[in-house]
Amino acid sequence: EVQLVESGGGLVQPGRSLRLSCAASGFTFDDYAMHWVRLAPGKGLEWVSTINWNSGFIGYADSVKGRFTISRDNAKNSLYLQMNSLRAEDTALYYCAKDLTAAVRGYFDDWGQGTLVTVSS
Amino acid sequence: DIQMTQSPSSLSASVGDRVTITCRASQGIRNDLGWYQQKPGKAPKRLIYAASSLQSGVPSRFSGSGSGTEFTLTISSLQPEDFATYYCLQHNSYPFTFGPGTKVDIK
Repeated sequence: EVQLVESGGGLVQPGRSLRLSCAASGFTFDDYAMHWVRLAPGKGLEWVSTINWNSGFIGYADSVKGRFTISRDNAKNSLYLQMNSLRAEDTALYYCAKDLTAAVRGYFDDWGQGTLVTVSS
Repeated sequence: DIQMTQSPSSLSASVGDRVTITCRASQGIRNDLGWYQQKPGKAPKRLIYAASSLQSGVPSRFSGSGSGTEFTLTISSLQPEDFATYYCLQHNSYPFTFGPGTKVDIK
């Protein structure tokens, strides 16, 4: 059974940093591209970032480009999101999601339960 | 960037009703579209991929259609467990974009 477990969320002041993690199990992690998606309070889903199986392709939403960095460690079956220069509008529940293939296809097959990031002074 | 719109933004319906949600893309996306269901406090769940293919395990009352710029999600007979928010997602080009969502609640 595919399991994706996010962690690392919390309350952080504007301008500070936070690193999210997503621990994957139940599948061969390095066979799949991975994504981060967020859900802000009262808003809809927003795609944040994408990484292919070997980190050879990475993509970001304009809203986070230059501030967030996605990475993965296939040896540890883990996905990460380093979030710098956080803003109030980054407050959201952050989900990791698994794609259908090693290449990025945009099929969000399986999702974690999310980790909450609150940016506030 | 490709903009996605959905209509309606919300609807009230009764159990047994037929429900149709429309998603429009600002430019052609072939059939690179999925439909997702999200219930409060739960992770999103994919219902439809490639615009019209039913995800394994999803009830057959859900169906998708369309190609290019206009797409629909239809629930043929609404069930109590279907009350949720529905999103379309285009993955034809970056940035991937979700529609703003359609909230389906009980009349």
